[in-house]
Amino acid sequence: QQQVKQSPQSLIVQKGGISIINCAYENTAFDYFPWYQQFPGKGPALLIAIRPDVSEKKEGRFTISFNKSAKQFSLHIMDSQPGDSATYFCAASWGFNKFYFGSGTKLNVKP
Amino acid sequence: ETGVTQSPTHLIKTRGQQVTLRCSSQSGHNTVSWYQQALGQGPQFIFQYYREEENGRGNFPPRFSGLQFPNYSSELNVNALELDDSALYLCASSTGQGITGELFFGEGSRLTVL
Repeated sequence: QQQVKQSPQSLIVQKGGISIINCAYENTAFDYFPWYQQFPGKGPALLIAIRPDVSEKKEGRFTISFNKSAKQFSLHIMDSQPGDSATYFCAASWGFNKFYFGSGTKLNVKP
Repeated sequence: ETGVTQSPTHLIKTRGQQVTLRCSSQSGHNTVSWYQQALGQGPQFIFQYYREEENGRGNFPPRFSGLQFPNYSSELNVNALELDDSALYLCASSTGQGITGELFFGEGSRLTVL
């Protein structure tokens, strides 16, 4: 049973455009929803995270939108840049830091 | 402040062999988690260690085992290797127990089983 479902699998965006990646979860006990960015040959690195008591969090060009009733959350990358080209993973966790990751979205930002 | 370091970075084993992967956690972190990332997939939780005790385990068989040492470094051992064990093994450190927060990942150990 996949706890966190992520879409799309891949995404191509023009430089300056908006990239949107979506995730859905099942377990209502989850209380922490991070997004991780992974470049080839590297480990995932935290990009931005949200807790379910807020509906939106913005850090620079990156925004998480969170819909608790729908059990969905999404990552928006504004003014996408070629340097943003990477694989993005959503995740969910509760309690003792056991994280459930989505299957990943490979983002390609065209110059 | 040093980050999470893993060794070796790459290794090749044959089916049936045993492997040990090592991880040094980030300074100040007392919790280490191990994840398996198959090609094109998200990381899958193997287990977590807190203060040298296993503190949660994912859906992995007992041939996956681990240790955490007093300095909070950790080892992942896999016995009787199978072809499907080929993956990137990620170590992540964090602070606290019962507090959900950021995981700091190393760059991983790429295991190929032939």
